[in-house]
Amino acid sequence: DAGVTQSPTHLIKTRGQQVTLRCSPKSGHDTVSWYQQALGQGPQFIFQYYEEEERQRGNFPDRFSGHQFPNYSSELNVNALLLGDSALYLCASSSVRGVLGYTFGSGTRLTVV
Amino acid sequence: TQLLEQSPQFLSIQEGENLTVYCNSSSVFSSLQWYRQEPGEGPVLLVTVVTGGEVKKLKRLTFQFGDARKDSSLHITAAQPGDTGLYLCAGPRYGNDYKLSFGAGTTVTVRA
Repeated sequence: DAGVTQSPTHLIKTRGQQVTLRCSPKSGHDTVSWYQQALGQGPQFIFQYYEEEERQRGNFPDRFSGHQFPNYSSELNVNALLLGDSALYLCASSSVRGVLGYTFGSGTRLTVV
Repeated sequence: TQLLEQSPQFLSIQEGENLTVYCNSSSVFSSLQWYRQEPGEGPVLLVTVVTGGEVKKLKRLTFQFGDARKDSSLHITAAQPGDTGLYLCAGPRYGNDYKLSFGAGTTVTVRA
């Protein structure tokens, strides 16, 4: 049973560019959340998608946007990249709101130069 | 400020010793989840505690949820080098089940 799949695994972008990260949730999960993890810190909640709608958003600017498709997969888009956007971006999937726990992917390491 | 405060930040012990990691908050949580993360990987769920006062044991790991559902602890007995990793506590604050808030993590190193 495949877990959460994220692509690409690593990415290098230049300041001002735009990036799209992709996530396929674990089979049976219908909810996808995105997190940003800076080096040496815990993950920070970006937003959560359920039924193709953004259900909740964390304290991230509008440069961060997302989408969920009918097959529950999701994309995270970041526009006008800043050096400070360099981080590990994690996708997590769950069912039943995630109160009982999430399954995380291995993440996409984004480096902005 | 972090909603969940973890302590200590770093822990280095010898194989066979015991260790405890603490996770505290002034807020009430619907559940508390413990994850372990290896370098370059995503967090892996170890356990979820839901009921205040709950104690769960997984082999050498014991997890406790405080009576008021504001704090939790992870105790490892007879630590092994394979226990090395970043331990993260996380939870959805009560009334906000969609957002998982994480602590900053505790880096545990078990020396052989």
